[in-house]
Amino acid sequence: GAVVSQHPSWVICKSGTSVKIECRSLDFQATTMFWYRQFPKQSLMLMATSNEGSKATYEQGVEKDKFLINHASLTLSTLTVTSAHPEDSSFYICSKSGRGQFFGPGTRLTVL
Amino acid sequence: AQTVTQSQPEMSVQEAETVTLSCTYDTSESDYYLFWYKQPPSRQMILVIRQEAYKQQNATENRFSVNFQKAAKSFSLKISDSQLGDAAMYFCAYNTNAGKSTFGDGTTLTVKP
Repeated sequence: GAVVSQHPSWVICKSGTSVKIECRSLDFQATTMFWYRQFPKQSLMLMATSNEGSKATYEQGVEKDKFLINHASLTLSTLTVTSAHPEDSSFYICSKSGRGQFFGPGTRLTVL
Repeated sequence: AQTVTQSQPEMSVQEAETVTLSCTYDTSESDYYLFWYKQPPSRQMILVIRQEAYKQQNATENRFSVNFQKAAKSFSLKISDSQLGDAAMYFCAYNTNAGKSTFGDGTTLTVKP
């Protein structure tokens, strides 16, 4: 069964609002989780590494003030897209390490 | 920085035939892992096969096998007896113990009945 869940699976919001996406490890604790973004017919691009109890590590070019990551518990990491704009519309996927990374089902964000 | 290159944006195969998807990578690390993932239209990433760099033996998983050439930094995926359900986008990925992955651009596989 699924070992990583994401919620919501699809969200539509108005430009300027903030959206929170949850990523949950279902089988065991995950001190490190990863957030990726995928545009249609493109590859997965790593946005940041979420570390439990400490600050996230962002990849070059990713605005940390726009994409807020919180990893307050060993099973939950959240990504908040602040002041979302249409160009933030994308597919966001979280994962945790294991024997091969385990991926969540993804969240489709549409910003109107 | 590590890079992963998939030179075939699209491939097609006849049902029941065999197809090989190419992947090359670049790294200065000696200890790493390589993966092939399948992403169907649902967009859920599914692990197809995994290869540890220290293992010389090529990994196999039922109809899926790899040709791992460490010196050449090549990691191709062979799908035998292709089925309609194999149609998807396939990503080659590189990973170290740090856990984060670097993905290729993907290959869209079409299976013709």
